[in-house]
Amino acid sequence: DIQMAQSPSSLSASVGDTVTITCRASQTISSYLNWYQQKPGKAPKLLIYAASSLQSGVPSRFSGSGSGTDFTLTISSLQPEDFATYYCQQSYSSPLTFGGGTNVEIK
Amino acid sequence: EELLVESGGGVVRPGGSLRLSCAASGFTFDDYAMNWVRQVPGKGLEWVSSINWSGGSTDYAHSVKGRFTISRDNAKNSLYLQMNSLRVEDTAIYYCARDNAAFATEFDIWGQGNLVIVSS
Repeated sequence: DIQMAQSPSSLSASVGDTVTITCRASQTISSYLNWYQQKPGKAPKLLIYAASSLQSGVPSRFSGSGSGTDFTLTISSLQPEDFATYYCQQSYSSPLTFGGGTNVEIK
Repeated sequence: EELLVESGGGVVRPGGSLRLSCAASGFTFDDYAMNWVRQVPGKGLEWVSSINWSGGSTDYAHSVKGRFTISRDNAKNSLYLQMNSLRVEDTAIYYCARDNAAFATEFDIWGQGNLVIVSS
């Protein structure tokens, strides 16, 4: 199974900051990497698919990059509604696996 | 509006069975593969199972293979998860999720989640 390691597990940031979350796969997954945002008590929301493609309706301050084993999610100019937990997920092979999550908190 | 609404959760004893349902609306259900994803409250996400558009191909996580069965009824726009031989560690919020398949497998529409508690 492909293991997905996210870092950091949590971070504190202020409105307006640029935040970067990393995700590392235990083997190469090409660009088969998605990012989700989850707020407390809600279902996850797809932000980025295929490592860098922005899902329809998602603000352009969210961006993804990377290929192979190392990926990043960048949030530019953090907004109050962006405080949430973020997960990466590989879709390269079964079983599909998620990273452990990164909790973005208000500083 | 594209919606998924789960039902069927609840409390069950270890070794018991439960069937989850997921009703789809607002999109052509049989155009999409569907999935179940679960989350222990306060913890991370775990993919559970997937089924292709016709129901002819299914896949399962190691942790549930042989105990859970995914199925769908395209005439009823519904997805199901039959859970047998339930264990305490199956306690979680269960989400149904649509596979957008824009690139590979992306979960673009999610249900609201349905809590399953396995406890004696």
